[in-house]
Amino acid sequence: KQEVTQIPAALSVPEGENLVLNCSFTDSAIYNLQWFRQDPGKGLTSLLLIQSSQREQTSGRLNASLDKSSGRSTLYIAASQPGDSATYLCAVYKAAGNKLTFGGGTRVLVKP
Amino acid sequence: GAVVSQHPSWVICKSGTSVKIECRSLDFQATTMFWYRQFPKQSLMLMATSNEGSKATYEQGVEKDKFLINHASLTLSTLTVTSAHPEDSSFYICSAGRNTGELFFGEGSRLTVL
Repeated sequence: KQEVTQIPAALSVPEGENLVLNCSFTDSAIYNLQWFRQDPGKGLTSLLLIQSSQREQTSGRLNASLDKSSGRSTLYIAASQPGDSATYLCAVYKAAGNKLTFGGGTRVLVKP
Repeated sequence: GAVVSQHPSWVICKSGTSVKIECRSLDFQATTMFWYRQFPKQSLMLMATSNEGSKATYEQGVEKDKFLINHASLTLSTLTVTSAHPEDSSFYICSAGRNTGELFFGEGSRLTVL
């Protein structure tokens, strides 16, 4: 059974600092890995999708890496802003279009 | 990007009544949709996989008769919480997948049962 873990559970940084969010999974036979953002009381917004054959994906200030063999992914957010405050979730797919297994999330607070 | 819409975004009902939540994929067809439940400060818990034209597949521990799922078309899945009780109060989120394999999520529906 796939298990996804995110550490730390919560993180508080001053504005401008870079954020590093970690995600680990127990079964390396994944199809894709996806990072999401969730604001309080809202649904999930997709940030980055990494195919299993890829090592990283980038979008603006966001960069996500994937190391399947070690079962790890890292989300980097450069030059954090107060608007980056949210919960960040990683999730892995077992197969195409299949159900996701979510990590517990990391709650991020960026202080002005 | 792909859009998944949920309705209603919040609902308050009396104990014993049934509540229906709709999930629509607005700009793509989805043969499979997923329903999740989320408790405060916790991650999403998959409840069931909704398959167009066939019965839903429920996760272990999820009551089929309590949470009725219908996927009548390629763009619509509904979750009906039957005879709702206060312990059913939660945040329910649906997702739908494009043929690229990426899943998109609705905005969620907050249910409060009095």
